[in-house]
Amino acid sequence: DVKVTQSSRYLVKRTGEKVFLECVQDMDHENMFWYRQDPGLGLRLIYFSYDVKMKEKGDIPEGYSVSREKKERFSLILESASTNQTSMYLCASSSSGTGAYEQYFGPGTRLTVT
Amino acid sequence: GENVEQHPSTLSVQEGDSAVIKCTYSDSASNYFPWYKQELGKRPQLIIDIRSNVGEKKDQRIAVTLNKTAKHFSLHITETQPEDSAVYFCAASETGGSYIPTFGRGTSLIVHP
Repeated sequence: DVKVTQSSRYLVKRTGEKVFLECVQDMDHENMFWYRQDPGLGLRLIYFSYDVKMKEKGDIPEGYSVSREKKERFSLILESASTNQTSMYLCASSSSGTGAYEQYFGPGTRLTVT
Repeated sequence: GENVEQHPSTLSVQEGDSAVIKCTYSDSASNYFPWYKQELGKRPQLIIDIRSNVGEKKDQRIAVTLNKTAKHFSLHITETQPEDSAVYFCAASETGGSYIPTFGRGTSLIVHP
């Protein structure tokens, strides 16, 4: 059974704190993604990675960084959390195999920055 | 880059009615169009997809149509049931290289019993 897990379902942090969100997939997928989900704005891509140690900026990378040291793990880092980063964060993974385009999502982390 | 517009943002129907959600895309190179369903408090999951070499695909009560000339595609749900209530996202992408989908903003479908 396909599985993508995220380190926390709910997280409350203070402004200025460094925040780590972790995502792990057990499907040996090459591609991993971090999205931010806000009401009325859909799923917006923050960063993605197509291989270990490789990363590419998405549509809204400002204020975020990522790390992919192992194939199964993709971390999202908020260097100095701000209140406008309060949101739902979704991780996803997908295969690079021909014809296999489905994205598998994690359960999400609802981050509140106070 | 790709831009995907999705309408309506909210759709309210009575149980048993049909529901249609429409999306348009801008990049003529896009050739893969998935639809994801996100139930309240749960993760998005793929429910159906269509490739550019077909115009329609059906799976039980769900169907998707694609008009490449007009750059739009639609999700059709027949005989809606309360369990169809969810947020639906369309997406568009090219399948070459790293597959990066661009998502629409989502449609909240409410099916009233």
